[in-house]
Amino acid sequence: GAVVSQHPSRVICKSGTSVKIECRSLDFQATTMFWYRQFPKKSLMLMATSNEGSKATYEQGVEKDKFLINHASLTLSTLTVTSAHPEDSSFYICSAGGAGVNIQYFGAGTRLSVL
Amino acid sequence: SQKIEQNSEALNIQEGKTATLTCNYTNYSPAYLQWYRQDPGRGPVFLLLIRENEKEKRKERLKVTFDTTLKQSLFHITASQPADSATYLCALEDGTASKLTFGTGTRLQVTL
Repeated sequence: GAVVSQHPSRVICKSGTSVKIECRSLDFQATTMFWYRQFPKKSLMLMATSNEGSKATYEQGVEKDKFLINHASLTLSTLTVTSAHPEDSSFYICSAGGAGVNIQYFGAGTRLSVL
Repeated sequence: SQKIEQNSEALNIQEGKTATLTCNYTNYSPAYLQWYRQDPGRGPVFLLLIRENEKEKRKERLKVTFDTTLKQSLFHITASQPADSATYLCALEDGTASKLTFGTGTRLQVTL
């Protein structure tokens, strides 16, 4: 299957700082990438859909100014958590999908802890 | 509103037995349904996709059925092994381009 690399795997930061998470598709061009958030023992909650070269589409209730998404190329999307607070602590996972049938290939996830 | 339910939060099964996981949905008319495996602290991994016109799909020890009348999919792991222990998620496309909605998952524990 396709390989998606997500970096960093874990980050601990102070409240008020911004954190950037990268998601790269290594062996295919991803027209669409997705960002999810997952709470312990809960399912994946879609935050936004990122399309290369255009603005991301955010799900209802997700703050656009809080979670900045950039998809500048067909292999890279970034999520920046701005002015992070302890309530932003969570497991963030990206995925990439190619054209056609909607199988998603996931990164390994980023565990964000805001102190 | 649209809803996806997986029958149980956790399922314990003895090695060698067949594990059966259930995914029920309401207010969807999906063209296909997918199953993913997620290990603790990792991203999900795609396992199988089944289309609305397919009744059954197999891959090695895995079997998926899809009943669009009952709005249900069953996921079977035959001859289960401890290495099969993980959380299994079903996912449906929500009718718009590209997006998947995931069920809450079933945590499978296979013991010796």
